[in-house]
Amino acid sequence: DTAVSQTPKYLVTQMGNDKSIKCEQNLGHDTMYWYKQDSKKFLKIMFSYNNKELIINETVPNRFSPKSPDKAHLNLHINSLELGDSAVYFCASSQGSGPRNEQFFGPGTRLTVL
Amino acid sequence: AQSVTQLDSQVPVFEEAPVELRCNYSSSVSVYLFWYVQYPNQGLQLLLKYLSGSTLVESINGFEAEFNKSQTSFHLRKPSVHISDTAEYFCAVSEVIQGAQKLVFGQGTRLTINP
Repeated sequence: DTAVSQTPKYLVTQMGNDKSIKCEQNLGHDTMYWYKQDSKKFLKIMFSYNNKELIINETVPNRFSPKSPDKAHLNLHINSLELGDSAVYFCASSQGSGPRNEQFFGPGTRLTVL
Repeated sequence: AQSVTQLDSQVPVFEEAPVELRCNYSSSVSVYLFWYVQYPNQGLQLLLKYLSGSTLVESINGFEAEFNKSQTSFHLRKPSVHISDTAEYFCAVSEVIQGAQKLVFGQGTRLTINP
């Protein structure tokens, strides 16, 4: 009955590789997000999608390309991985994109770039 | 752009002792504030939120936070902590950017409960 799920949970890869992280929510929400949590636990939004449309892109390098095939899915593809991409990536969703909404977070994907 | 400061990166307390986790935000006309909790190796869960109305908000597991506009603070408190409260706590302010909600998080406070 997982509300927001992500796969894989762990991802270890070499510099220069391309990898994808998948996110699915079964809450019927229309807005989804990607966050990056660095080694100091600092959380920062990367992207926001509403009804499959990109709304927020927080100056993320264009090596990162989110894709939303439908409202329930928001995948994150990363090209040419760098050491600095090592982090925990969280997907989240909410109903609507107003400031009062609660966001529901997935369990996270720990990406390690060697 | 709004910002959030959590003054303590780590707070160790003994079980059954009271605790306060501090959070200050940058001032704005409309303020929507959240506390999220992250248990080890898990995602974030909403603990409580202030949207409007009563300045004191409570969670189901005994935490409370008070919105103080004059001090631009939203400190989180619990009168008696339990081992299971060990977690990372994040304060966040919500703003709207390009018609979308953006949560701006503080640096997090690691609460460690010692027996």
